Amino acid sequence: GENVEQHPSTLSVQEGDSAVIKCTYSDSASNYFPWYKQELGKRPQLIIDIRSNVGEKKDQRIAVTLNKTAKHFSLHITETQPEDSAVYFCAASIGGGGADGLTFGKGTHLIIQP
Amino acid sequence: DTGVSQDPRHKITKRGQNVTFRCDPISEHNRLYWYRQTLGQGPEFLTYFQNEAQLEKSRLLSDRFSAERPKGSFSTLEIQRTEQGDSAMYLCASSLVRGDTEAFFGQGTRLTVV
Repeated sequence: GENVEQHPSTLSVQEGDSAVIKCTYSDSASNYFPWYKQELGKRPQLIIDIRSNVGEKKDQRIAVTLNKTAKHFSLHITETQPEDSAVYFCAASIGGGGADGLTFGKGTHLIIQP
Repeated sequence: DTGVSQDPRHKITKRGQNVTFRCDPISEHNRLYWYRQTLGQGPEFLTYFQNEAQLEKSRLLSDRFSAERPKGSFSTLEIQRTEQGDSAMYLCASSLVRGDTEAFFGQGTRLTVV
């Protein structure tokens, strides 16, 4: 089955700096890669996703890049703000949109230092 | 609230007891998923339904676990003869089959087995 590795487990950055979280996946058939943000005690919420026919996608301060050949994808957050502090999970699936279930990474605890 | 709702939010039970959780997906969503999340980990896929049909079950879903979605709307997850290792957050998510493929998560049911 699919295996998703996520690094780093904890990331501390100064407010205003950029943060990068990286994930690798094992199953070349995976074609949908969402990123979820989970604040303490709350539900995971989708912040951005990318499909395998696209190499990069951007939404305001958030961008995701995908390298299918190397089987890795990354989340980039620019101009970080205190409200960006949370746990971020990458995930991968086959068939798109959570079909057959998402395989999640172990998460990255992002800490924005004031 | 038009999001995914789960009930109860918290459940404390004694080892060996049976528990049942309920999930009400977003009304037009025909896919429904159950995940389990332990502290410091990403959600782990358990099972999913398309309408009333249970299409996939993870190896994590032992024979003490059973899920149903009898009318293709709400779903229940039952754990029989609970063990301390079952203590976790049980998350439900829903999505559409086509088009909008984002999986929306509920707030989860936190199970504590004592």
